[in-house]
Amino acid sequence: QKEVEQNSGPLSVPEGAIASLNCTYSDRVSQSFFWYRQYSGKSPELIMSIYSNGDKEDGRFTAQLNKASQYVSLLIRDSQPSDSATYLCAVRNNQAGTALIFGKGTTLSVSS
Amino acid sequence: KAGVTQTPRYLIKTRGQQVTLSCSPISGHRSVSWYQQTPGQGLQFLFEYFSETQRNKGNFPGRFSGRQFSNSRSEMNVSTLELGDSALYLCASSLDAGNTIYFGEGSWLTVV
Repeated sequence: QKEVEQNSGPLSVPEGAIASLNCTYSDRVSQSFFWYRQYSGKSPELIMSIYSNGDKEDGRFTAQLNKASQYVSLLIRDSQPSDSATYLCAVRNNQAGTALIFGKGTTLSVSS
Repeated sequence: KAGVTQTPRYLIKTRGQQVTLSCSPISGHRSVSWYQQTPGQGLQFLFEYFSETQRNKGNFPGRFSGRQFSNSRSEMNVSTLELGDSALYLCASSLDAGNTIYFGEGSWLTVV
């Protein structure tokens, strides 16, 4: 059973702080890794994708991948109240088409 | 560029009925996949279609089916609805495997 595990939270951080979201996955052949943000009642929105070990930065967001440890993380710097949402980690084995395996998400709450 | 369009957005059905949901992918995208999201199970992959062929299938009963048309538009059908089928059904499109997938707004199905 291929699994993606996330701490459900809620993770509460004050405005301006760094939020750290973590994800582990079980399928060693996973090749692509994604972070989606989902606001309540809305569909998931892609924030970051990462494919190779190391860090990838995009604005206030940094994704980190460690394939040896089967670990993916998302750092949000200078957290804003508008970042309050559920963050979904997803992994994909590209040999299996476009199918993503999602974690159940971490709820982030940023207080002003 | 128009995004992924799903219809209907909201619907209520009675147990035992069937339902058909429709998805129009982003122009040029040939891969369409469907996901079910529930509070208990999270986001789960249903199936993927590419060039009118089902390329991948998740672990759902045969009551869940789909198809894709020559213009890449897709439909999914759920027969003999059960209360547990109440969920947000998300369609996602992609150029092909290995490419980023983009979600539609979803169809909210309530079974009573």
